[in-house]
Amino acid sequence: EAGVTQFPSHSVIEKGQTVTLRCDPISGHDNLYWYRRVMGKEIKFLLHFVKESKQDESGMPNNRFLAERTGGTYSTLKVQPAELEDSGVYFCASSPLGGGGYGYTFGSGTRLTVV
Amino acid sequence: GENVEQHPSTLSVQEGDSAVIKCTYSDSASNYFPWYKQELGKRPQLIIDIRSNVGEKKDQRIAVTLNKTAKHFSLHITETQPEDSAVYFCAASPSSGTYKYIFGTGTRLKVLA
Repeated sequence: EAGVTQFPSHSVIEKGQTVTLRCDPISGHDNLYWYRRVMGKEIKFLLHFVKESKQDESGMPNNRFLAERTGGTYSTLKVQPAELEDSGVYFCASSPLGGGGYGYTFGSGTRLTVV
Repeated sequence: GENVEQHPSTLSVQEGDSAVIKCTYSDSASNYFPWYKQELGKRPQLIIDIRSNVGEKKDQRIAVTLNKTAKHFSLHITETQPEDSAVYFCAASPSSGTYKYIFGTGTRLKVLA
C-alpha cells in the first residue's frame, strides 16, 4: 500500500508570500495529523482531523495557518502570509479510525524555508 | 503543560557498543510511548513502542523500558551498527492512533565504525 505522501518536498518562499502544503494519507485512514519541527527542537503538534472534521487544532500557532481536509481524503495546510519563524519541516501522519493499535505513519515532510 | 524531555541531545558510540536514550513525560494520562527513527532526509519511522501495562519490550537489538511511577521510559540499542545512526524521537500519548503525540526534542545518534 502507498504510504503517506507529502508535497512539495521543499519550498523556499519570501516573507509575506503564501504557501500551500499537501498531504495524502494512507488510503482509508480517517485520522490525519499535521506536525512541525523547527530546527533542533521537538516535533510539535499542529492539528488533528478525523475524516473532514477538525478534532483538535490546539497546536495551530496563529490565524495565518489554515488547514483543510475536503471530503476527508487529502489535506492542505496554507500559510498566509508566511513569516520567517514559519520555517521548518512540516510532517503529516495518518492512522485508521480506531487507531489501529500501533503508532501512526508519517510522511517524509515538506521543508519550508521563508527568506 | 504537557511535555516530554529527552536526553541526551547527541550521542556518539563505537560500533558494537550499546546506546541508551532517556525520556521523561509529564502527562499522567499518557499510556502509549512510541519511538521513531529518522534518517537524514527520510520520514520518521516507528521502530518500537510500549504501553503502560508493560514494563519492558524487546525487538532484536532494540528494547524499551517504562517506569510509569517515575514517568520515565528509555530506548536501549545493543550491538550498535553504522546504520543505527539517525535522529531518535520519543513520544507520549493517551492513545496509539487517535490522539496527538507529545514528542521529545530528539537524540542524534552517531555510530562510529
